[in-house]
Amino acid sequence: KAGVTQTPRYLIKTRGQQVTLSCSPISGHRSVSWYQQTPGQGLQFLFEYFSETQRNKGNFPGRFSGRQFSNSRSEMNVSTLELGDSALYLCASSISGERYEQYFGPGTRLTVT
Amino acid sequence: AQSVTQLDSQVPVFEEAPVELRCNYSSSVSVYLFWYVQYPNQGLQLLLKYLSGSTLVESINGFEAEFNKSQTSFHLRKPSVHISDTAEYFCAVSKSQGGSEKLVFGKGTKLTVNP
Repeated sequence: KAGVTQTPRYLIKTRGQQVTLSCSPISGHRSVSWYQQTPGQGLQFLFEYFSETQRNKGNFPGRFSGRQFSNSRSEMNVSTLELGDSALYLCASSISGERYEQYFGPGTRLTVT
Repeated sequence: AQSVTQLDSQVPVFEEAPVELRCNYSSSVSVYLFWYVQYPNQGLQLLLKYLSGSTLVESINGFEAEFNKSQTSFHLRKPSVHISDTAEYFCAVSKSQGGSEKLVFGKGTKLTVNP
């Protein structure tokens, strides 16, 4: 079974631009969560989607948004990029329910210059 | 709200020595507990989890963790480490009720196993 895939793996953007990151969950998984990982703040929860509905949201500004499609694939968008948005963005998927096992993708490394 | 504290940011050990990575959590509701491992340039992999039942949980590669409710701890241990265990380890919690699977992570502990 294929794992969680994230595209692109690496991205360089300029301050003020916007960016869209994509996540394809494991087949059959309906829950997708996004996390931001930085050396200073560690791993921080961005948002969680289940069956195309946002189920939970972290404490990030409105510039960060996401969505989930009917095939469970998810995208996150960051508008008006700032230098501090440079991070590894990780996507995780799970079947959802009692097992509570989240499977993480390799991440997208975003660099804002 | 939940929070996780990993008391050691870096732990260097020699190969075949025992190791303990410490994790304490704070929560006003019951939680599930997890340990994840991250190898360089990779995503996170679930190492082990505590949902209910026996407070001692084990992984397939020799790690174990014990849930201590009174001390709100979930320390990770391995009796004999290998070079290949060099990685960053993250402790995490999730509310056991409410439907969301949001994980709250600690800052991580970098384990370096030296020959």
